[in-house]
Amino acid sequence: ETGVTQTPRHLVMGMTNKKSLKCEQHLGHNAMYWYKQSAKKPLELMFVYNFKEQTENNSVPSRFSPECPNSSHLFLHLHTLQPEDSALYLCASSQGTGGNYEQYFGPGTRLTVT
Amino acid sequence: GENVEQHPSTLSVQEGDSAVIKCTYSDSASNYFPWYKQELGKRPQLIIDIRSNVGEKKDQRIAVTLNKTAKHFSLHITETQPEDSAVYFCAATPYNTDKLIFGTGTRLQVFP
Repeated sequence: ETGVTQTPRHLVMGMTNKKSLKCEQHLGHNAMYWYKQSAKKPLELMFVYNFKEQTENNSVPSRFSPECPNSSHLFLHLHTLQPEDSALYLCASSQGTGGNYEQYFGPGTRLTVT
Repeated sequence: GENVEQHPSTLSVQEGDSAVIKCTYSDSASNYFPWYKQELGKRPQLIIDIRSNVGEKKDQRIAVTLNKTAKHFSLHITETQPEDSAVYFCAATPYNTDKLIFGTGTRLQVFP
């Protein structure tokens, strides 16, 4: 499969659950991103990784924990979430960072916290 | 930090008319300004971008202009078609960061 893939596509979890979102890019890119897209704040940057190293954390609560084992894979570990965390979580990748490169987005994971 | 404001939030035009979406940014050192299009139920995709050393860029029916003095940039779509209907996001990259700060989006509807 080409491009940026995300699993699962839909997730419903209770506030006490622990779950993980997975992102994989098949483009040979070096940078990966997590975004939160909700009606109130569309496309809100959460984390940036460049060559597996986290370079940006946009004041994200600790109940969201990212992991980047290599340049092709990115995870977002979720625990004790709140209902307001319900949103579409988008992963993206780009050849480089510094914001000067086109970002390729995955299809997103629609998360519902009950 | 950088703040990007986008207007209007919704825009309806007749097919064949032009559409203009405007964004302002707060960090005068920002140097990269892309525009993304997100069709309903689909992922955002880059449609055009401009760097701070350029004032205008065109790609067929779409163009972007940048006014660094006023700290605003605009997306222009001419001869609109129904398939242009989507949400459009502007964005800006603050200097020397890895961030891309998005505007709040404009829902464009093109009526046949």
